[in-house]
Amino acid sequence: AQKITQTQPGMFVQEKEAVTLDCTYDTSDPSYGLFWYKQPSSGEMIFLIYQGSYDQQNATEGRYSLNFQKARKSANLVISASQLGDSAMYFCAMREGGSQGNLIFGKGTKLSVKP
Amino acid sequence: EPEVTQTPSHQVTQMGQEVILRCVPISNHLYFYWYRQILGQKVEFLVSFYNNEISEKSEIFDDQFSVERPDGSNFTLKIRSTKLEDSAMYFCASSERYDYNEQFFGPGTRLTVL
Repeated sequence: AQKITQTQPGMFVQEKEAVTLDCTYDTSDPSYGLFWYKQPSSGEMIFLIYQGSYDQQNATEGRYSLNFQKARKSANLVISASQLGDSAMYFCAMREGGSQGNLIFGKGTKLSVKP
Repeated sequence: EPEVTQTPSHQVTQMGQEVILRCVPISNHLYFYWYRQILGQKVEFLVSFYNNEISEKSEIFDDQFSVERPDGSNFTLKIRSTKLEDSAMYFCASSERYDYNEQFFGPGTRLTVL
C-alpha cells in the first residue's frame, strides 16, 4: 500500500488565486512528521513546510499553509496568492517515528500557474 | 545560509563503470541521507548514515552501493558497477537530528549511464 498518496498528477491555477494540493498518508505510528517540498524545473528540492503529528496548530510559512486533518490522515498544502514562480512539482513526504529520519515521498503534483 | 553541496552536477558514465558521487552536508549536521529520483518519478530513499555507519537502507541499496564519510566534511555514495537503470538524479540530504523538522537537500547529481 502507498504510504503517501497524491491524487492530482497536475493542477492549474490562475495567478493570484489560492490552490490546494492534496496529500493523504498511511501510518500506524503515533509519531510522524509531514513535509512538503517544491521541485522547480531546475531540479533542486526546496523545503516548504513541516507538520508534526502532535502539533495542535496547522503549520504556516508565508503563503504556504498545511491543512492537517489527523483523523482523515490528510495533509493538504494550500498556496495563497499564486505566483508564476510557483509553477513546479510539489511533493508530500512523511517521516515515521520509528525510522532514522528517512522520508517517504508521494508521486508529486505538477502545478502550473497561468497568467 | 548554510547549504548542502553536491559534486558533480552531472556525471556521464559507461555501464559497468564505478562512480562516486560526493556531498558536503551542513557542518553541524549529524544525519546524512541519499535519495534518488528516476526521471519523472518520485523521490526514493536509499540510505541513512549516522555516527559513521549506516542506520537504515532501502531495498534499492544493494551490494552495488556503498556510502562513506572519508573525512569530517564529505559524504560519498559509490556505485560499483553501474547499470542503465541507475540513471537518475541523486540527492544528498542532511539534518541535525533524525526527528528534526527539516531535511536540507543538496542540488542533486544527475547520473547518466550509457
